[in-house]
Order: sequence, then C-alpha cells, then structure tokens
Amino acid sequence: EAQVTQNPRYLITVTGKKLTVTCSQNMNHEYMSWYRQDPGLGLRQIYYSMNVEVTDKGDVPEGYKVSRKEKRNFPLILESPSPNQTSLYFCASRGLGGNQPQHFGDGTRLSIL
Amino acid sequence: AQTVTQSQPEMSVQEAETVTLSCTYDTSESDYYLFWYKQPPSRQMILVIRQEAYKQQNATENRFSVNFQKAAKSFSLKISDSQLGDAAMYFCAYSPRNTGKLIFGQGTTLQVKP
Repeated sequence: EAQVTQNPRYLITVTGKKLTVTCSQNMNHEYMSWYRQDPGLGLRQIYYSMNVEVTDKGDVPEGYKVSRKEKRNFPLILESPSPNQTSLYFCASRGLGGNQPQHFGDGTRLSIL
Repeated sequence: AQTVTQSQPEMSVQEAETVTLSCTYDTSESDYYLFWYKQPPSRQMILVIRQEAYKQQNATENRFSVNFQKAAKSFSLKISDSQLGDAAMYFCAYSPRNTGKLIFGQGTTLQVKP
C-alpha cells in the first residue's frame, strides 16, 4: 500500500529536549515536505526536499532541521524545542510534476511544555 | 510574497444544496498549480481537485468544480449536491512550477446540515 508513515503520532515533551519526528514514504517520490498546522493559520511549509541531499527552507524554518540522506526518509529534527513549536505536523511526498498531488502522513501532534 | 487567502473561516450548507468556497492568491508567477484539499475530523489531508494555471478550462471532479479566474487570481471551489460526508475543513493551496513550495490558505470549515 502506498503510504507516508510518520512517527510518533503523539508526543509530549519538555523545552530543550531534542526530538526527531521520522517520515518515510514507499512510493519512490522525489519530493518530500514538512508542514505545521496551527488554528487560523492553515498549513505552513517548514522545509522541503526535491531529492537526496537537496533541501530548502519553506516559510517557517526557524528552530527546525531536516536531512535527506535516503530517498525514502525525511526526518524533522527539533534541536531545542520551545513551547511555540507545539503544533500538528504533517509530512508529505509527491512525484515529479508540479501538478502531482501531495500524499500526506497521518500527522504528529507535538506538545512542548 | 506569495500568499493564499481564504476569507471565509466558516460556511454552512443544507444537504443536497450547492456551496462555493472562495480563495484568492497573490503571485507574480505565470505558471503554477492550484489545489483544493479536504481535511475531515480524522485530520487526513485529501486532494479534492487541482488546476494547472496554463489551462483555461476549469477542472471538474464529479460534484466538485472550480472557477479559475487567472487575471483576478481567484480559485473558488463549488460543491454541488452537498453530502454529510463533505463536512470538513477545506484548504486552498498554490505551488509555483518547478519548485517544491506549496502555500496553503487559512482554511474554511464547512458544515453540512441535514
């Protein structure tokens, strides 16, 4: 089954404790992205990657890191999480062609105390 | 800056009626893609419909259609014969050609009344 898998689904942690949210896709997609969703703001792109070792900033990259060492994986790293990073996070992937739909993961609810 | 605006935070429609959700965007690009995504309470993101800017013909997918006005930078979604399962948050999104960027609007929550 074609899917984007992100883990964990839920996480409560404390300020300053490094965390990683993993994302993996099994569709051999070139493009992968991370978004955060906040009430009244919609989804905002954090980082995206157009291929292995190629990443670029989205609209809200501050406080986040990503890496794309393998085509299927695109982890999101919060080196020193802060309460303003409490949000719902989505990973997504798509194939070549800008009209291709994004395939989204099920979301990760992060709470940083 | 490229932006997407959905000016209707909430909308409601009677079952079997038609409703139109508004979306405007701002860009200096001439070639891009536009999308409508649906997010039900399960929080899954589901593609509803997509439009390529170079195509003048409005996209249609079953009960869903768009009114794409390129000069006005407007991309509204029309849902015909509304069903209870259409109740969700709807997001308009814009993507410039040949980039990985995808910019979403704030979302519109659609309520469908039986």
